[in-house]
Amino acid sequence: DVKVTQSSRYLVKRTGEKVFLECVQDMDHENMFWYRQDPGLGLRLIYFSYDVKMKEKGDIPEGYSVSREKKERFSLILESASTNQTSMYLCASSGSGGYNEQFFGPGTRLTVL
Amino acid sequence: EDQVTQSPEALRLQEGESSSLNCSYTVSGLRGLFWYRQDPGKGPEFLFTLYSAGEEKEKERLKATLTKKESFLHITAPKPEDSATYLCAVLLSGSARQLTFGSGTQLTVLP
Repeated sequence: DVKVTQSSRYLVKRTGEKVFLECVQDMDHENMFWYRQDPGLGLRLIYFSYDVKMKEKGDIPEGYSVSREKKERFSLILESASTNQTSMYLCASSGSGGYNEQFFGPGTRLTVL
Repeated sequence: EDQVTQSPEALRLQEGESSSLNCSYTVSGLRGLFWYRQDPGKGPEFLFTLYSAGEEKEKERLKATLTKKESFLHITAPKPEDSATYLCAVLLSGSARQLTFGSGTQLTVLP
């Protein structure tokens, strides 16, 4: 079974702090994604990566950056956290060659005070 | 503009009362449609992929179907453990990897 793990289930940070969210997948997937999920707004794509060191902006990249130094690991960085970044953050991965299903991690509930 | 709309937003059923959830899409080109289940506070769990009109997939009490404009998730004789939010997502022909998600249907099955 595909396994996607995220570094924290719950995280509380202060405004202005730098925040790192890490995601690891064990299925040798090429593609990895970061979403945020908010009530009434659904899942929104922040960034995705289709190869090591490659990244593309999603629908809401402002205030975020990402890093993919190894194939299995994809990090989301909040350079200076703000209260409007309080949300559930979900990481996902998918393969290539026609296998487009995305498999999600358990999520990180981030609260910025 | 590409859109994915799920209905109803919320559905309450009695245990054993079969029903269907709808996912309609207005997109320029569909490469695939995906159904997920999401429990509160957890990540979405993959259920089905459908690629072409007329295709059907089944898993336990769930059956997904696809037409040229919409997909249905049929739930037969649901149980309380089927309570969850069900999300559909589409993969567009112009996108190699990105999924566009609907807002979900929150299903509650009462004992």
